[in-house]
Amino acid sequence: EAEVAQSPRYKITEKSQAVAFWCDPISGHATLYWYRQILGQGPELLVQFQDESVVDDSQLPKDRFSAERLKGVDSTLKIQPAELGDSAMYLCASSPPRTSGGIRYEQYFGPGTRLTVT
Amino acid sequence: QKEVEQDPGPLSVPEGAIVSLNCTYSNSAFQYFMWYRQYSRKGPELLMYTYSSGNKEDGRFTAQVDKSSKYISLFIRDSQPSDSATYLCAMAKQGAQKLVFGQGTRLTINP
Repeated sequence: EAEVAQSPRYKITEKSQAVAFWCDPISGHATLYWYRQILGQGPELLVQFQDESVVDDSQLPKDRFSAERLKGVDSTLKIQPAELGDSAMYLCASSPPRTSGGIRYEQYFGPGTRLTVT
Repeated sequence: QKEVEQDPGPLSVPEGAIVSLNCTYSNSAFQYFMWYRQYSRKGPELLMYTYSSGNKEDGRFTAQVDKSSKYISLFIRDSQPSDSATYLCAMAKQGAQKLVFGQGTRLTINP
């Protein structure tokens, strides 16, 4: 069964340091999402890509966060500099491509990267 | 006020019980509804995906949508200890793939 891959699974970093997360979506999935999930809460969208283009980054803190998907396949999310409040689970998800029935809304998530900023 | 409200629990029931999990939402633009199961320190796993009002059944799981009341439910029959997890409702608006999640309900099934 195809899965979304993410690495690393766990990351501990000191505040003010840079950190990067990697995601490889399910093969053939053109839409890719990055979510942040704070403990005890539901995931919140940070950025959505359609192929290599950003569709929605309205909730991405652009002063410190950046995301790219240069070839429209895998993606990297970067935080620089990291702050204590960035401690959370960072989840990547992807959606199947559009069919004759229209947009596919269901999303498939990877295992996440748990970030701890000290 | 959050767009999607979900009681965080925790909810604890004996094995074999029927479990009812619920979410309410405020925006009638939501048209697509999903339930995810999330085990501790794992990513969410898609359980159910529904579009219209009514019921959808898959094994021991039944998803119910009442758009007139802006209320969705997930029922788990013959609950098992392996069902112990956090259950997240999520929904999307027509034409926008962004999912808006509830807070999640933490469920424990006791043997």
